[in-house]
Amino acid sequence: GEDVEQSLFLSVREGDSSVINCTYTDSSSTYLYWYKQEPGAGLQLLTYIFSNMDMKQDQRLTVLLNKKDKHLSLRIADTQTGDSAIYFCAEIPYGGSQGNLIFGKGTKLSVKP
Amino acid sequence: EAQVTQNPRYLITVTGKKLTVTCSQNMNHEYMSWYRQDPGLGLRQIYYSMNVEVTDKGDVPEGYKVSRKEKRNFPLILESPSPNQTSLYFCASSFLGGDYNEQFFGPGTRLTVL
Repeated sequence: GEDVEQSLFLSVREGDSSVINCTYTDSSSTYLYWYKQEPGAGLQLLTYIFSNMDMKQDQRLTVLLNKKDKHLSLRIADTQTGDSAIYFCAEIPYGGSQGNLIFGKGTKLSVKP
Repeated sequence: EAQVTQNPRYLITVTGKKLTVTCSQNMNHEYMSWYRQDPGLGLRQIYYSMNVEVTDKGDVPEGYKVSRKEKRNFPLILESPSPNQTSLYFCASSFLGGDYNEQFFGPGTRLTVL
C-alpha cells in the first residue's frame, strides 16, 4: 500500500541549514507536498513540487525530488527559531482523488538559539 | 477572510455521550475531510466528502459518522465516544480538479474522552 516515511525529529542551531527527508512509495504521484504545522495550529501548505521537476526553490526553501529513489527533501537555509514546527511530507497516490493526501508522520524541527 | 473553522476547539466529555464537532469553510470547496492526529501516528483520514451528499470512509472511520447536507459544512459525529477517540481532530477542505489543490486546514479540536 501507499506509505510516506519521515524521520520524527531534527534539531539544528539557528542560522544553520535544515534538511528534512521523506521517502514515498507511489511513483505515480503527480504532486508532492510539504506542509508545516506550527505549535497549536493546523497544517499549512509550505511548498509543493510537480513530479516532472527535480528541484524547486522558493526563497529559503529548496525542494529536491529524486524520482528514481522516491526521495523528497526540504532544505531550509538560515534556519530561524520561527521555523520550529512539525513538517509533513504528503503525496496523492495513484488512483486517489486529488484531495486524498497521504501524509508522513511528520518531522519535528527544533531550532536552538 | 478565507478559512476553515471548527467548533469547539477543546472538549472534554465522558464515554458514551454523543457529540458533534462542526466544520465550516467559506471558500466554496468541493472537497472536505476529517483527520485525527495522534503522537507517533501522524495524520490519519477519518472520512472525506467530494461534494454535497457524497461521503466516503478514510483509513480510520470506525466510531465516527459524517454528513454533507450543505457544501460549506461537514460535521463529525461521535455517537458513542470512547477513550480511544481522545485525539486532536482537523477538518480540511480543497478544490477538486484544479492544479496542485492545496488543502486548507482548520485550527483543530482537541477532544478528551474520559
